[in-house]
Amino acid sequence: QKEVEQNSGPLSVPEGAIASLNCTYSDRGSQSFFWYRQYSGKSPELIMFIYSNGDKEDGRFTAQLNKASQYVSLLIRDSQPSDSATYLCAVNVEGGGNKLTFGTGTQLKVEL
Amino acid sequence: GAVVSQHPSWVICKSGTSVKIECRSLDFQATTMFWYRQFPKQSLMLMATSNEGSKATYEQGVEKDKFLINHASLTLSTLTVTSAHPEDSSFYICSASPGGGDQPQHFGDGTRLSIL
Repeated sequence: QKEVEQNSGPLSVPEGAIASLNCTYSDRGSQSFFWYRQYSGKSPELIMFIYSNGDKEDGRFTAQLNKASQYVSLLIRDSQPSDSATYLCAVNVEGGGNKLTFGTGTQLKVEL
Repeated sequence: GAVVSQHPSWVICKSGTSVKIECRSLDFQATTMFWYRQFPKQSLMLMATSNEGSKATYEQGVEKDKFLINHASLTLSTLTVTSAHPEDSSFYICSASPGGGDQPQHFGDGTRLSIL
């Protein structure tokens, strides 16, 4: 059973702080890694994707990947109350085409 | 780009009714689409992988005769919940990907199904 693990939270950070969301995965053959944001009652929205070891930055978001440690993270700088949501980590299934394995998500709360 | 449209957004119907949900990729072709179900405060559960021109691949425990999937074109997949019962009430979400195995899935807005 291929697994993706996330701390369910809630993770509470003050407005303006850096939020750090972490994810580990079990399938060493995985090559593609995705972060989705899901607001309550809404469908997931793609935030970032990363394929190579290292950091990838997009605005206030930075994805970090370490394949040796089977670890992927998402940093949100200057956190805003509108960032409060559940963040889902997703990993491609080796040989599964576009099929993804999702973590259960981390709930982030950005407090005023 | 990579917009996925899902219709309807809400369905409320009586027990025993069959309900069809449509998923369209608006600006790309999708050989494969995915159907998920999500109960309140729970994680996404993949129900099936919809393949254009062939039979869907269902996840373990998902009844293929109850959840009929048709993927007749590269831009349209449908999920029909047959003879729906209250326990089928859930949030159904489709997704599609525009390219190869490393491309992200893009989600539709979801369909909230309530069976009375």
